[in-house]
Amino acid sequence: GQSLEQPSEVTAVEGAIVQINCTYQTSGFYGLSWYQQHDGGAPTFLSYNALDGLEETGRFSSFLSRSDSYGYLLLQELQMKDSASYFCAYPRGGYQKVTFGTGTKLQVIP
Amino acid sequence: GAVVSQHPSRVICKSGTSVKIECRSLDFQATTMFWYRQFPKQSLMLMATSNEGSKATYEQGVEKDKFLINHASLTLSTLTVTSAHPEDSSFYICSAPAGTSGNNEQFFGPGTRLTVL
Repeated sequence: GQSLEQPSEVTAVEGAIVQINCTYQTSGFYGLSWYQQHDGGAPTFLSYNALDGLEETGRFSSFLSRSDSYGYLLLQELQMKDSASYFCAYPRGGYQKVTFGTGTKLQVIP
Repeated sequence: GAVVSQHPSRVICKSGTSVKIECRSLDFQATTMFWYRQFPKQSLMLMATSNEGSKATYEQGVEKDKFLINHASLTLSTLTVTSAHPEDSSFYICSAPAGTSGNNEQFFGPGTRLTVL
């Protein structure tokens, strides 16, 4: 089957660095995306890894290892506004249809 | 980025009634849109793919006669929850792909909170 597993909750201190892991199982693989969702809001796209390695976008970086079926989202210089749920996701059968991971609720504390 | 709107943002209805939710792409055309459902503290579950000019395709376990989808134009998809029951209470979100950006980005609407009494 297809699945993406994430830790359910993570707590980190403001200004610190936090890593949110994602392990996946899929019969076909077209890349790994990350989305942020604040409570009651819409998911917003953060990053996409089509190939192995690290992609950096400001304070956020995302890493992919296809051989390990594993990826992570790295958030640096944490801010209180980063408290949200984070989902890894991958497209099924191409670019469009997306399956989301179980989600990680990040709480940033002072 | 592209903007997707949804209407209404919140709706409360009585059990047995039908509710229509609209999803619009405001500044781009979307031949395909997706409808998700999200229960509290859970992930987004894809319900169906809305295709402009053709029938929607539903995920396994989603009742197509209960969740009617119409993609009437390149900027509008509607989801109608028919004969709603309390277990249909959820957060419904639509999305549209970014097109040819190649990064698998989806643009999401703000969601509709449905409460069935």
